[in-house]
Amino acid sequence: DADVTQTPRNRITKTGKRIMLECSQTKGHDRMYWYRQDPGLGLRLIYYSFDVKDINKGEISDGYSVSRQAQAKFSLSLESAIPNQTALYFCATSDGGTGFPYQPQHFGDGTRLSIL
Amino acid sequence: RKEVEQDPGPFNVPEGATVAFNCTYSNSASQSFFWYRQDCRKEPKLLMSVYSSGNEDGRFTAQLNRASQYISLLIRDSKLSDSATYLCVVNNAGNMLTFGGGTRLMVKP
Repeated sequence: DADVTQTPRNRITKTGKRIMLECSQTKGHDRMYWYRQDPGLGLRLIYYSFDVKDINKGEISDGYSVSRQAQAKFSLSLESAIPNQTALYFCATSDGGTGFPYQPQHFGDGTRLSIL
Repeated sequence: RKEVEQDPGPFNVPEGATVAFNCTYSNSASQSFFWYRQDCRKEPKLLMSVYSSGNEDGRFTAQLNRASQYISLLIRDSKLSDSATYLCVVNNAGNMLTFGGGTRLMVKP
């Protein structure tokens, strides 16, 4: 089983719909992140969380919201989807313990989201 | 200027060749550095961390030059399976990773 699991893997939906992307992890990491990836632009950070009660905006948070329901779960919502939110979305985790800031991030398989 | 810049490539090399990628970063306060590998439509996977003294893992060697603010990745004896996009990643103050746009490598038979 994957350490970082994203659901759904693929989603096609219409403009204006509310969408939730789920991420769960079994790595026991404190820190979780949501990114989007667009061709030629690399990965850009949407939101991140260092603990259950901690939520922080990333580079491109407008139009998105998140919820950290438990240490192992971090969900991303698009309240009213628009076509330019079509992208590949990744969840990631990292260990905030000993050795930070040298700890790398570990990624889920990604969610391919298309908004028509 | 982008915070982390990479030549997008593609680098087309024959099997067995040695190939090197560079990456420059703009934030002199950057604290840690990584190379990730990403296959088409898949998630990024950590290839190696980059240490100040340089480090090697099999055919892969990473170097960091803080004075000039660049990171390099050297791949020796390229394999077909090395074909992928290589992402340069910088961890800045504020605990966030900044990704370069990636360098695409294609190893040909």
